[in-house]
Amino acid sequence: DGGITQSPKYLFRKEGQNVTLSCEQNLNHDAMYWYRQDPGQGLRLIYYSQIVNDFQKGDIAEGYSVSREKKESFPLTVTSAQKNPTAFYLCASSIQGQGEKLFFGSGTQLSVL
Amino acid sequence: AQSVTQPDIHITVSEGASLELRCNYSYGATPYLFWYVQSPGQGLQLLLKYFSGDTLVQGIKGFEAEFKRSQSSFNLRKPSVHWSDAAEYFCAVGALSGGYNKLIFGAGTRLAVHP
Repeated sequence: DGGITQSPKYLFRKEGQNVTLSCEQNLNHDAMYWYRQDPGQGLRLIYYSQIVNDFQKGDIAEGYSVSREKKESFPLTVTSAQKNPTAFYLCASSIQGQGEKLFFGSGTQLSVL
Repeated sequence: AQSVTQPDIHITVSEGASLELRCNYSYGATPYLFWYVQSPGQGLQLLLKYFSGDTLVQGIKGFEAEFKRSQSSFNLRKPSVHWSDAAEYFCAVGALSGGYNKLIFGAGTRLAVHP
């Protein structure tokens, strides 16, 4: 079955530590996205990538970094510069040019120890 | 600027009762509108979408939504709620940004269903 896989389901970060969230898709989608979800705030776009080796900042990119070396993979690194990283992180993908038709993974809950 | 407002943070209904979740949007052109549902700890599932044409759109799980341009609204309805409908519901508008389409989400409405 085609879909988006996020791992791990739960992740804990120590102060000053970088952590990387994995997102893999086998839908053959060109575009991939990372959203952050906080209670009562809906989803906010962190980064998105329309093609391999290219990505753009979303609305809240500070403290995060991404790479897109393969079409199937779009990992998100939460750096130590992100002072409030506790949130639910959702990865999504779409056909290029159809960013309104998103397919979502099941998310990663990141918490700070 | 484009935005989506969901005025109700929490709604509680009895099983079998009707449901309406409100959504208002701000967008200069004809919008693409969406409703997503999220179960706890899970990703989002698309319920329905409006692109053009008939302003009453049908979705999965017995949901429907009506686009009203004059009111800038896209309210979600269901005639009879089931306990399994308890979840969080997000309204979203598709917007052009930097040459690409992206989704702008509302803050969500959490639905509780009483037996």
